[in-house]
Amino acid sequence: AQSVTQLDSQVPVFEEAPVELRCNYSSSVSVYLFWYVQYPNQGLQLLLKYLSGSTLVKGINGFEAEFNKSQTSFHLRKPSVHISDTAEYFCAVSDDDTDKLIFGTGTRLQVFP
Amino acid sequence: NAGVTQTPKFRILKIGQSMTLQCTQDMNHNYMYWYRQDPGMGLKLIYYSVGAGITDKGEVPNGYNVSRSTTEDFPLRLELAAPSQTSVYFCASSYNRVSYEQYFGPGTRLTVT
Repeated sequence: AQSVTQLDSQVPVFEEAPVELRCNYSSSVSVYLFWYVQYPNQGLQLLLKYLSGSTLVKGINGFEAEFNKSQTSFHLRKPSVHISDTAEYFCAVSDDDTDKLIFGTGTRLQVFP
Repeated sequence: NAGVTQTPKFRILKIGQSMTLQCTQDMNHNYMYWYRQDPGMGLKLIYYSVGAGITDKGEVPNGYNVSRSTTEDFPLRLELAAPSQTSVYFCASSYNRVSYEQYFGPGTRLTVT
């Protein structure tokens, strides 16, 4: 069965600094990968997704992620964060053998002025 | 489009009481999901449905029931509420299999005392 690991539960960073949120998944022949963002007291919304094709995926709000099959990783990056990026970020994975998404435990990004 | 709507937003239950969490989507999505979110645990799938009249268990179904009589509605029933069911509950929907984006409702915060 698929599993997702988000190693960092919290990532503090200063405004305008770069950030990387790490995500690793268990191996699979064909995998679909997602990053969702949850702002305080709201539901989740999709940041970006990898289904196939180019390994560098660009999403909303200036975020991007790179699919690395050999390292089974899908790390999320942003070159310059804003205060408004403070939120919880969830990595999720699925594959052709299931109708379900498996979520990681989340990484709380705290941006300081 | 309202997207995915959930009612109520907040609820306090006494141990042993029952309640139904309502979820409605107006996007004509086939797939619908119920998740619970506990601090530091990410999202856990309770039940899901791939179409009207079809439901299946997720990772943590015990203590819950669902039905899907229409494409739009996917209510979650809690029977004999227990403190362990204190959580934030999210409903989500997607057009088709998990390779498609899931759209989340705003959540229901439930406390069982």
